[in-house]
Amino acid sequence: DIQMTQSPSLLSASVGDRVTINCKASQNINKYLNWYQQKLGEAPKLLIYNTNNLQTGIPSRFSGSGSGTDYTLTISSLQPEDFGTYFCFQHNSWPDTFGAGTKLELK
Amino acid sequence: EVQLVESGGGLVQPGRSLKLSCVASGFTFNNYWMTWIRQAPGKGLEWVASITNTGGSTYYPDSVKGRFTISRDNAKSTLYLQMNSLRSEDTATYYCTRGRAAYWGQGTLVTVSS
Repeated sequence: DIQMTQSPSLLSASVGDRVTINCKASQNINKYLNWYQQKLGEAPKLLIYNTNNLQTGIPSRFSGSGSGTDYTLTISSLQPEDFGTYFCFQHNSWPDTFGAGTKLELK
Repeated sequence: EVQLVESGGGLVQPGRSLKLSCVASGFTFNNYWMTWIRQAPGKGLEWVASITNTGGSTYYPDSVKGRFTISRDNAKSTLYLQMNSLRSEDTATYYCTRGRAAYWGQGTLVTVSS
């Protein structure tokens, strides 16, 4: 199974900050990497698919990059509605696996 | 608008069975793979099962293989998850998703406890 190591697990930031969240796969996942945002009591929401494709309706301050085993989600200027938990997800090979999550909280 | 509405969750005793349903709307159901994903209370996400658009192939992780069965009725735009021999560690919110987790339903809670 492919292990997804997500970092940091907790991130404290302020409105307007630029933040990055990282995911490292235990083997090459060929850019089949998605990013999700989850708010308390809600279902996850897809932000970025296949490394760098912005899902419809997602603000352009979200972006993704990476290749091989290393991937990054960047929020260029943090907004109040961006606080929550972020997960990465690889769907290159079965079983599909998620990172453990990054909780983004207000500093 | 894509909508996925799960139902069938509840409290069930260990060793018993439960069947979840997910009614889809807002897209052509038989064009898409479908996937179940679960989240234990306060925990991360775990892929549970996927099925091709025709239902001809299914995929499971080892944690549920042989106990859970994913299926679909394209005429009813409905996805199912039959869960047998339930264990306490199956307690989670179960989400129905389109494709490989692109759109998500609101989830249905399954609690396995005596």
